[in-house]
Amino acid sequence: SAVISQKPSRDICQRGTSLTIQCQVDSQVTMMFWYRQQPGQSLTLIATANQGSEATYESGFVIDKFPISRPNLTFSTLTVSNMSPEDSSIYLCSVEDKPSGDHYGYTFGSGTRLTVV
Amino acid sequence: QKEVEQDPGPLSVPEGAIVSLNCTYSNSAFQYFMWYRQYSRKGPELLMYTYSSGNKEDGRFTAQVDKSSKYISLFIRDSQPSDSATYLCAILNQAGTALIFGKGTTLSVSS
Repeated sequence: SAVISQKPSRDICQRGTSLTIQCQVDSQVTMMFWYRQQPGQSLTLIATANQGSEATYESGFVIDKFPISRPNLTFSTLTVSNMSPEDSSIYLCSVEDKPSGDHYGYTFGSGTRLTVV
Repeated sequence: QKEVEQDPGPLSVPEGAIVSLNCTYSNSAFQYFMWYRQYSRKGPELLMYTYSSGNKEDGRFTAQVDKSSKYISLFIRDSQPSDSATYLCAILNQAGTALIFGKGTTLSVSS
């Protein structure tokens, strides 16, 4: 399976500032995904990032708030902009991975635990 | 109605117990069903995968899909303290592009 390194693992940020989260994969992947995991809630897809094109955002998420870069097939960043305490959450990077070649599998990074104060 | 519903628990069982974790879903067109396990401060890891209906077994774990009832289950036999984690059901969306998750059930197995 793909191995994902996500940085930072945690951060405490002041409201109104921005944080950029990095996701590095040890193999080339077509699609990378960014999820949010709020306390007591489901993992919610923020956007899908394809290399060479604009990210596709899910309903309720906008590019101005969550700009995403995908400069190559192994790396992506998610920025949480103009943060408020409501943005306190775990942010997870994920890639589609088919370790057996015959079924879908999605591998996740360890996540970035963000606290906005 | 949410696309995937899962009772968050928490669920506490003694070591050796059989654990049953369940989810329901709303869209009968869904075909790919997964269970993820998430330890504290870690990302989710794929545990089981099932396509369409039926059962799939892997060691102490059995995943079951009942499409007629839109109900998916994960059974853990002979549960161990190391099974203590949050278990998330996930379904591949119709477009086949991303996963829809349940809220996760937190399981605690005591020795």
